[in-house]
Amino acid sequence: QVHLVESGGGVVQPGRSLRLSCAASGFTFSSYAMHWVRQAPGKGLEWVAVISYDGSSQKYADSVKGRFTISRDNSKNTLYLQMDGLRAEETAVYYCARDWSCSDWGQGTLVTVSS
Amino acid sequence: DVVMTQSPLSLPVTLGQPASISCRSSQSLVYSNGNTYLNWFQQRPGQSPRRLIYMVSNRDSGVPDRFSGSGSGTDFTLKISRVEAEDVGVYYCMQGTHWPRTFGQGTKVEIK
Repeated sequence: QVHLVESGGGVVQPGRSLRLSCAASGFTFSSYAMHWVRQAPGKGLEWVAVISYDGSSQKYADSVKGRFTISRDNSKNTLYLQMDGLRAEETAVYYCARDWSCSDWGQGTLVTVSS
Repeated sequence: DVVMTQSPLSLPVTLGQPASISCRSSQSLVYSNGNTYLNWFQQRPGQSPRRLIYMVSNRDSGVPDRFSGSGSGTDFTLKISRVEAEDVGVYYCMQGTHWPRTFGQGTKVEIK
């Protein structure tokens, strides 16, 4: 059974950094692309970034390009999102999702950007 | 970016009655390989999103057969043949053909 567990969320000041993790189990992690998708409180879903199964390719939403970095460690079955220069409007629940079409999702981790 | 437009944004439905959600894209979602990458997600209150339908009309494992997806090109529909109480939530379409991936605004389904 696919299991995705996000962690690393919390309260951070504007302009600061945070790194999220997504621990995967129940499938061959190294065979699947992985996404980050976020949801601001009371709002809809916003795609953030994707990384290929082997980490060789990444794509980002324009809103985070140059500030966020998606990466993975296939030996640890873990996906990461390094978030630098955080903004108040990026307060959201951050989800990781499996494969190119987001077949499975984690429970999310809340990031609050506030002074 | 491809804009995904859902309608309606709010859908009150009587239990046992059908429901239909439209999703239109600003560009064709047909990929170069001939496939169309349009997915539907359900988000129940307080829960993570769950994929219901992939590639327009393929139901995910465990999804009741009262859910069906259809459409082509730029015009897609999610139908619930008979709404049950557990179907309450927000439904999103998402295109997986173009970068960046984009979602519709969401349609809130509630019971009248």
